[in-house]
Amino acid sequence: AQSVTQPDIHITVSEGASLELRCNYSYGATPYLFWYVQSPGQGLQLLLKYFSGDTLVQGIKGFEAEFKRSQSSFNLRKPSVHWSDAAEYFCAVGASGTGRRALTFGSGTRLQVQP
Amino acid sequence: DAGVIQSPRHEVTEMGQEVTLRCKPISGHNSLFWYRQTMMRGLELLIYFNNNVPIDDSGMPEDRFSAKMPNASFSTLKIQPSEPRDSAVYFCASSRDQNEQFFGPGTRLTVL
Repeated sequence: AQSVTQPDIHITVSEGASLELRCNYSYGATPYLFWYVQSPGQGLQLLLKYFSGDTLVQGIKGFEAEFKRSQSSFNLRKPSVHWSDAAEYFCAVGASGTGRRALTFGSGTRLQVQP
Repeated sequence: DAGVIQSPRHEVTEMGQEVTLRCKPISGHNSLFWYRQTMMRGLELLIYFNNNVPIDDSGMPEDRFSAKMPNASFSTLKIQPSEPRDSAVYFCASSRDQNEQFFGPGTRLTVL
């Protein structure tokens, strides 16, 4: 069974500082990996995804993530955080291939941005 | 593109009442997912459909929950009878083939 761990429940950074949100997954084959962001009272918006190829993927809003197979990780990064980035961030893993297509989500990391 | 549409956005009902949540997926998407989000359990998959056929309903809590997808552009999630522990935000998402799911704004359900 696939699983996702986001070890940081809550992170606070200063505006302009760099950000890294951790994500570790468990899956027997090459996974499909995603980062979603959820603002208060809103649905989830896709930030970026990894299916195959270049292990460093670029997303919207200046975010990027790097797939590291040896560490089973897919950490999300941003070089300079803006106040509008305050939200909850979810990492998700999906099954590759033609089987089950549902996603398994991590428990989320809540990001607070200090002025 | 209107995105995934859910209705109602908010629902307040009394214990024992029937609740029906509605979802219109993005046109052309062939998979539809229902999720539930709570503080205690996070985001959980309830059921998903592929080409209008239920594929995996193992996440449906119990028989009080049922979901249908009568056609490619509409799905319902019904709770009958509702209980206070069903209070949550229910999300519908749709995708086409490659697992990239697009989420609706959610329905916030409160059962008193």
